[in-house]
Amino acid sequence: SAVISQKPSRDICQRGTSLTIQCQVDSQVTMMFWYRQQPGQSLTLIATANQGSEATYESGFVIDKFPISRPNLTFSTLTVSNMSPEDSSIYLCSAMDREGLAGGPGNEQFFGPGTRLTVL
Amino acid sequence: AQSVSQHNHHVILSEAASLELGCNYSYGGTVNLFWYVQYPGQHLQLLLKYFSGDPLVKGIKGFEAEFIKSKFSFNLRKPSVQWSDTAEYFCAVSNNDMRFGAGTRLTVKP
Repeated sequence: SAVISQKPSRDICQRGTSLTIQCQVDSQVTMMFWYRQQPGQSLTLIATANQGSEATYESGFVIDKFPISRPNLTFSTLTVSNMSPEDSSIYLCSAMDREGLAGGPGNEQFFGPGTRLTVL
Repeated sequence: AQSVSQHNHHVILSEAASLELGCNYSYGGTVNLFWYVQYPGQHLQLLLKYFSGDPLVKGIKGFEAEFIKSKFSFNLRKPSVQWSDTAEYFCAVSNNDMRFGAGTRLTVKP
């Protein structure tokens, strides 16, 4: 299985600033995603991070607000830009191993521990 | 893209009662199905998953789920719940990406 780490694990930020969250996977995976879990809510897919190209955003999420990078198969960043209190949430990185590259049967999806963001 | 609906927002049971949480999905192609649990203040934990084969899937902590293709359903069951099962339960469906249901909060009274 793939192990995912995220940095920072939590942060408290001021309104109007930006925060970049890093996600590292310990094995090559085919797909990486970013999710948001607002307080008391389910997980919502923000975007699919594409290696070497622009991310694919879900409805309601835009690149200017949530720029994403994925320079290689095992690393991605999500930036939350010009933050407001409404951005307070847990942001989770996820990776799908479609091909079984991480040693599993394939089509498994793994989740990072999340980054708890509080915007004042 | 696929979508997931969980019918029960909040379920309250007494210990030893049987549990069934509903999950339906909409997608015309092949999907993989999952149930996750999130204990208060903790991360997501995979309970069980279905990719193919036997539609009755057994997971951890005594949970099981049955995939009924004709009904597009993947309901979660446990014959006898415990107080420690109090948590949020999420059904998820995966094709090219994973989509989650809104979640069901389970409260088990001791």
